[in-house]
Amino acid sequence: GESVGLHLPTLSVQEGDNSIINCAYSNSASDYFIWYKQESGKGPQFIIDIRSNMDKRQGQRVTVLLNKTVKHLSLQIAATQPGDSAVYFCAAAFNKFYFGSGTKLNVKP
Amino acid sequence: NAGVTQTPKFQVLKTGQSMTLQCAQDMNHNSMYWYRQDPGMGLRLIYYSASEGTTDKGEVPNGYNVSRLNKREFSLRLESAAPSQTSVYFCASSQDRVGGYTFGSGTRLTVV
Repeated sequence: GESVGLHLPTLSVQEGDNSIINCAYSNSASDYFIWYKQESGKGPQFIIDIRSNMDKRQGQRVTVLLNKTVKHLSLQIAATQPGDSAVYFCAAAFNKFYFGSGTKLNVKP
Repeated sequence: NAGVTQTPKFQVLKTGQSMTLQCAQDMNHNSMYWYRQDPGMGLRLIYYSASEGTTDKGEVPNGYNVSRLNKREFSLRLESAAPSQTSVYFCASSQDRVGGYTFGSGTRLTVV
């Protein structure tokens, strides 16, 4: 199987600062990873993905970094905004997806 | 808008009652899934359907049954609800792994 965990249950940042959310996975066979955003009362939404043949991928204000050596990935959000307040969790897949429990990001104005 | 639709959004049941959670997707996806989400835990897979006509158990199937009614619809049934089934339930669909899953907005179920 796979075990996916996040390092911090809650992260508070000031508006305009950069946010870094971390995730660890256990199975070295996992070859595809996704970060999801879940706002209160809503279902998870896809943010960005990365395959195991890459170590970095950038989107709009978001960057995902993958370190396969230590089985760790991170989500960086640039210039964090109040609308970024949500729970973020990662998913790792080799045959199917396994989900972490999430980090709640609080953005202070 | 294209997506995954779940009904109902909220439900309160008494212990021993039964109910069916409905899910429909309009993206022509082959695969559909039911997850439960509990505080402090990641999404846990209850059942999934890789294609129309097939269903398989996930990691927490006990107390649940599913029906893949057609390609669009995948329902989850609780035959005799228990307080341990109090949770938020999410339905999801996917065509393949790329892009992950599209999730519905969830059903918040409380069993008293």
